[in-house]
Amino acid sequence: NAGVTQTPKFRILKIGQSMTLQCTQDMNHNYMYWYRQDPGMGLKLIYYSVGAGITDKGEVPNGYNVSRSTTEDFPLRLELAAPSQTSVYFCASRTPWGNRLSSDGYTFGSGTRLTVV
Amino acid sequence: AQSVTQLGSHVSVSEGALVLLRCNYSSSVPPYLFWYVQYPNQGLQLLLKYTSAATLVKGINGFEAEFKKSETSFHLTKPSAHMSDAAEYFCAVSVRIQGAQKLVFGQGTRLTINP
Repeated sequence: NAGVTQTPKFRILKIGQSMTLQCTQDMNHNYMYWYRQDPGMGLKLIYYSVGAGITDKGEVPNGYNVSRSTTEDFPLRLELAAPSQTSVYFCASRTPWGNRLSSDGYTFGSGTRLTVV
Repeated sequence: AQSVTQLGSHVSVSEGALVLLRCNYSSSVPPYLFWYVQYPNQGLQLLLKYTSAATLVKGINGFEAEFKKSETSFHLTKPSAHMSDAAEYFCAVSVRIQGAQKLVFGQGTRLTINP
């Protein structure tokens, strides 16, 4: 299994441009998450989804949007890129606790490094 | 509110010395606790997890952590540091917030190994 796949790995955007960070998982996990990582701040939750068609805001949702039309995909959209969105973005997924496949909890993608100039 | 505090943003030890990375959590219910490692320019790799079974949890690469409810701690240790352990380490707690399980991270501890 590929696990959680994020594309692109790197991207440079100009202020005001838009882009979509892609995240796909092939483990049939219900739950998916988007985090951003900034130096000295750990990882902060942007948005999450508990299943197809259901999304909700996390700790730092401003400037972002998400959708979850399928179980596999959870894209993160930046409509008007700002320098404050320069960060490393991680997508993660998990299966509910108690499921026989939940032994590892959360599975993370390899990240997207985004720079807004 | 659920939170995780990692004491020390930078820790430096000599090769062969004990590694101790501190993590304290706040949670109103029994937590699921995790330690992740991140090598430079890479993603997060699970080191170990506590899910209410044994309080002493053994992970990969010789690391282990002990869950101490009375101290609300989940410190990460390794008896003898190796150069390859140089990385950033994150403690995290999985808690139910607004009806959904979420992973809340500490701010991270950068581990440096001196030859």
